[in-house]
Amino acid sequence: DTGVSQDPRHKITKRGQNVTFRCDPISEHNRLYWYRQTLGQGPEFLTYFQNEAQLEKSRLLSDRFSAERPKGSFSTLEIQRTEQGDSAMYLCASSALAGAADTQYFGPGTRLTVL
Amino acid sequence: AQKVTQAQTEISVVEKEDVTLDCVYETRDTTYYLFWYKQPPSGELVFLIRRNSFDEQNEISGRYSWNFQKSTSSFNFTITASQVVDSAVYFCALSERDYGGSQGNLIFGKGTKLSVKP
Repeated sequence: DTGVSQDPRHKITKRGQNVTFRCDPISEHNRLYWYRQTLGQGPEFLTYFQNEAQLEKSRLLSDRFSAERPKGSFSTLEIQRTEQGDSAMYLCASSALAGAADTQYFGPGTRLTVL
Repeated sequence: AQKVTQAQTEISVVEKEDVTLDCVYETRDTTYYLFWYKQPPSGELVFLIRRNSFDEQNEISGRYSWNFQKSTSSFNFTITASQVVDSAVYFCALSERDYGGSQGNLIFGKGTKLSVKP
């Protein structure tokens, strides 16, 4: 079984540009999570999906951020009008909804640098 | 509010030494889950262990062992006979039940950077 994959692995953009990241979860995992990690910090929750439904959004997810998971498979995270403060590693994780003890498995992340 | 504290920012040991990474958590829920993840220099978070709040048995997996103490809200991680390949940032994380009774999002500590020198 392949793990969680993310694309691209690195993205450099200029302030004000829009960027989109993709996450492909482990096959048949119906939960998908997005986190953001800045240097020297632990990952911080952004949002998560159960199948195609977006169930929760963090207050960190400003209106410049939007996430989708059409058809409950891969997910995209878009940042509009990027700011230098958006520079971070964006991590995706997936889990199988199998009762109350689900382990989240993480992808390699997308490192965003906003110049 | 839920919170995870990893007071040790960096630890440096010499190979073959034992090392313990501390984790203290805060939660109002009676049912919750605790995790440890490893983040090597490559950046990918690697799952190590999951514990639920009803299971206070300590666990050993090879050179790794975990000590869960509900009375002190701690979930410490010990590496015995450390190796250079253990060098990484280690994160402790907490998850509570969401509205549906399943695990919600993870709340991470700031991590402990472990350097094992040959």
